[in-house]
Order: sequence, then structure tokens, then C-alpha cells
Amino acid sequence: SQKIEQNSEALNIQEGKTATLTCNYTNYSPAYLQWYRQDPGRGPVFLLLIRENEKEKRKERLKVTFDTTLKQSLFHITASQPADSATYLCALDLTGGGNKLTFGTGTQLKVEL
Amino acid sequence: NAGVTQTPKFQVLKTGQSMTLQCAQDMNHEYMSWYRQDPGMGLRLIHYSVGAGITDQGEVPNGYNVSRSTTEDFPLRLLSAAPSQTSVYFCASSPSAGESRGNTIYFGEGSWLTVV
Repeated sequence: SQKIEQNSEALNIQEGKTATLTCNYTNYSPAYLQWYRQDPGRGPVFLLLIRENEKEKRKERLKVTFDTTLKQSLFHITASQPADSATYLCALDLTGGGNKLTFGTGTQLKVEL
Repeated sequence: NAGVTQTPKFQVLKTGQSMTLQCAQDMNHEYMSWYRQDPGMGLRLIHYSVGAGITDQGEVPNGYNVSRSTTEDFPLRLLSAAPSQTSVYFCASSPSAGESRGNTIYFGEGSWLTVV
């Protein structure tokens, strides 16, 4: 069966450290993989997209890696801040059209002072 | 620029009632979608549209209808509400794939629906 797995337990880290979140999938061949941030009571907000032929993508303090052999993406936040506390969602775009995403359940990140 | 606007924000329905969740976007996006989000399940695609007059089913379409008469609007209709439809509903829009493959999807702020 097809599955997308993200750490179900909350990740607690200290301010200034690097947070690393994992997204694993099985029986999918995504064209793209996206990461979103979701705050309580709000809609998801797009952060980064990485294509199947890309290994790594960076944006400011964010870095995403994509290993299609391992079927895994890692999402890193460097120099983390309390404001980075949120739930982070991984989403697969199987068609490349951008209109039909398959989401993981998300990982809650808490950055403590 | 309002982005994606959903109404209502909160709604309580009785079993068997019908209602429409409204979604409008002002970005001239071709693609629009409806997702529902339930605890421990992640967002799941209900219906989507690739342009005015064109709609298709997603992963969990049963009990819902959609139409796309204009580029801007994509309402979601619950025909006969059931407690299993208690959820948070998100509307999303994105440019067509022809403009930029692997597009960013913009989400609305959600509609909280409780069916009693």
C-alpha cells in the first residue's frame, strides 16, 4: 500500500540548534515533493519544493534534501527560533501538475528558549 | 490581494442538512482543490478542478459535490451532512502546470464544520 510517514511525535529542540524533520514514503514515484508549515487554526503555507532530479534545495535557513532511492526527504531548519514552532507537512505531487497533493500527517516542532 | 478566501469559518450542521462551503481566489489561478483535514490523517483531496467547467474526484469525494462556473469560485456542497463529515476543510489554488511545473499551492484559512 502507499504510505507517507512523518515523525508522529513532537520534536523539541533548543533555540539555535538545527531541527531535522523526516518524510518517508513507500510505493510512490513523486515528480515533486513539497514542505509546508501549518500553525494552529491556520491553513498550510508553502515553504519549499524539490524536484525528483534535485538532491538539495535551500531557502534562507531552510534546506530540503530528496533521495528518490531511499524514498526520503529531510527538512532542516538551521539556527532555529521559537517562531519556527509549528507543524510541518510533507506533500507529494505525483503528477507534477501542482493541483493534487498527497500529504503526510505532519510533525510538530517546538523550539524552546 | 486577498489570496484564497473561505466562508464560513465555522459552521454547525444537523445530520441530513445540506450546505455549501464557499471558496474564492483573486490570483487568476486555473487550478483549485478542496481538502479535508482530520486528526492523525493528514490532508486528503476531496475534489479538484483544472479550469472553469472542469472538475474531477479526489481521494474522498463521497458525499460532496463541486462545480466551477468561473475561474474565481469553487464551492463545495455537502448534500446530506453526516457526522463523519465533521472536519476542517481547506480550499487551495495554484497556477496551471503550463506556467511553471511543480507549482506552489496557496491555501485558504479553513472552514471548521461540525455535524451533530
